[in-house]
Amino acid sequence: GAVVSQHPSWVICKSGTSVKIECRSLDFQATTMFWYRQFPKQSLMLMATSNEGSKATYEQGVEKDKFLINHASLTLSTLTVTSAHPEDSSFYICSAWTLWGVAEGHFGDGTRLSIL
Amino acid sequence: KQEVTQIPAALSVPEGENLVLNCSFTDSAIYNLQWFRQDPGKGLTSLLLIQSSQREQTSGRLNASLDKSSGRSTLYIAASQPGDSATYLCAVNSSWGKLQFGAGTQVVVTP
Repeated sequence: GAVVSQHPSWVICKSGTSVKIECRSLDFQATTMFWYRQFPKQSLMLMATSNEGSKATYEQGVEKDKFLINHASLTLSTLTVTSAHPEDSSFYICSAWTLWGVAEGHFGDGTRLSIL
Repeated sequence: KQEVTQIPAALSVPEGENLVLNCSFTDSAIYNLQWFRQDPGKGLTSLLLIQSSQREQTSGRLNASLDKSSGRSTLYIAASQPGDSATYLCAVNSSWGKLQFGAGTQVVVTP
């Protein structure tokens, strides 16, 4: 079945650091990738939508200059949290979709980001 | 704007009992609805996907129904086991690929 690989699975870093998270579709071409964020004890909230070769579309309240998304190929999207602060500590998870076949989201295993 | 509600927020049952988890949504114009399982600190495991034209889906001990007109879906888990303890999330796909998640139902199955 479809597999989405997300790395790293866990990262701890100091405040002010930039952190890059990768999301790869391993056996299909992901025309669209979605990035979600989950704060403790809360559900997943959509942050942004990225289509291959286009600029990402951000949900209301999500700072596009802080959360840089790149989707340069059909198999890779990256989320960079720039100048991360403790309030950015969260669980980030990507979902990869394809235009072909059943419209079903294939999720990565998520990245737990802790900013000290 | 689509809103997804899950009731109850938490559920504790003894092993062997059947589980009934409810999900409601406000806008019936959906592509599909998906049920996920999430273990603490982990990602999502897709359990069942119901297309908008379907009424139910089954996989092993799991059965999910969908009543699009009333904006409801129910996940049934038969003969619960301690390994079923997790948080169960329902997600509605009403804008291609953009899933709107409920807050989840935290399930504990006691031996």
